Amino acid sequence: AQSVTQLGSHVSVSEGALVLLRCNYSSSVPPYLFWYVQYPNQGLQLLLKYTSAATLVKGINGFEAEFKKSETSFHLTKPSAHMSDAAEYFCAVTHLLIQGAQKLVFGQGTRLTINP
Amino acid sequence: GAVVSQHPSRVICKSGTSVKIECRSLDFQATTMFWYRQFPKQSLMLMATSNEGSKATYEQGVEKDKFLINHASLTLSTLTVTSAHPEDSSFYICSARGGRYADTQYFGPGTRLTVL
Repeated sequence: AQSVTQLGSHVSVSEGALVLLRCNYSSSVPPYLFWYVQYPNQGLQLLLKYTSAATLVKGINGFEAEFKKSETSFHLTKPSAHMSDAAEYFCAVTHLLIQGAQKLVFGQGTRLTINP
Repeated sequence: GAVVSQHPSRVICKSGTSVKIECRSLDFQATTMFWYRQFPKQSLMLMATSNEGSKATYEQGVEKDKFLINHASLTLSTLTVTSAHPEDSSFYICSARGGRYADTQYFGPGTRLTVL
């Protein structure tokens, strides 16, 4: 079975500061990992994904994440926070080795607040 | 990336009526579509998975007779909430994957359902 844990339901940083959102996963098979962002009353937008290629993944809006198998982590970072980064962030895991629906397992989400 | 639309974005209905929500993949063929429900300040809860031309697979605890899902074409899936009640009020989000986007779910903007 797969699971995702996002440490910190709420993270607050100052504008211009480093953003670090933590995600740890559990998977018995090689995982595919995703970060999505959700703005109020909207759907989820894909930020970036890891699909067994490069372990350091760059996404949209200046975000990046590093897959660390030894730590079972996929933390999301951005060097300098912008006010427009304020949103809910979800980490999710799936796998593609087994044919089927390829369901996503989501973490509980982290609400990012940016202080001016 | 892929574009998924949902219609309507917001719907208000009376208790006992049925409501249909459409999910469309605009620039790719979606072999699989997913329907989620999201309660305020919570993560997404998968309701069902549908493959084009097949019956939907419902998650445990989801009433298939209440939440009717149809995936009749490679670009359209519909969710019908039958005999809606106030407890069905929620934010419903669909996602789709397929074709050149086979390894990633792309999400629609969501539908806010309010049952009076």
